Amino acid sequence: SAVISQKPSRDICQRGTSLTIQCQVDSQVTMMFWYRQQPGQSLTLIATANQGSEATYESGFVIDKFPISRPNLTFSTLTVSNMSPEDSSIYLCSVDSGVEQYFGPGTRLTVT
Amino acid sequence: RKEVEQDPGPFNVPEGATVAFNCTYSNSASQSFFWYRQDCRKEPKLLMSVYSSGNEDGRFTAQLNRASQYISLLIRDSKLSDSATYLCVVNPGETSYDKVIFGPGTSLSVIP
Repeated sequence: SAVISQKPSRDICQRGTSLTIQCQVDSQVTMMFWYRQQPGQSLTLIATANQGSEATYESGFVIDKFPISRPNLTFSTLTVSNMSPEDSSIYLCSVDSGVEQYFGPGTRLTVT
Repeated sequence: RKEVEQDPGPFNVPEGATVAFNCTYSNSASQSFFWYRQDCRKEPKLLMSVYSSGNEDGRFTAQLNRASQYISLLIRDSKLSDSATYLCVVNPGETSYDKVIFGPGTSLSVIP
């Protein structure tokens, strides 16, 4: 199993600002995933982050808006840049153990 | 057609009832299938994997029909604690590291 922590757990931000979300895993993992879950919706994959290479973004998500860092095998950050109210969502990081996916507790972002 | 579709719900059932959720997927080459459970304001957690022969875990039974590209989850003797959103998850690839696809979820409320 994997234990994942995220910081911050929640934040309220003004439009036009940026927020960086941190994800820490208790074991080394090859791939980390960042998801967004908008209110009442299911999870949408933003990007996949491998250590030592650029993240791979899904359709509809771009690096300028959601820059990701993956400096080592246990840590990643997702930045939500130039925020607008439409970015209000829960952001979750995830790792795949090869058997199941484990999720962090999520960061609840509200943009005013 | 969406890649993974689920019964829209919500399902409101009395304690002790049996309830079944359905899920269909569009990619016939999909390799593995899962049911995740997401409690309100919590991250998703694996409920059970779905095997070709069907599998049972206590009150929960999962079935897979590859010919019809259909997965089901049956919950017997529903408990209040079963109230949650149930997410059908499909791995379309050959490795566990391929991106999984989440269905929209089906909400279940078990009523006293």
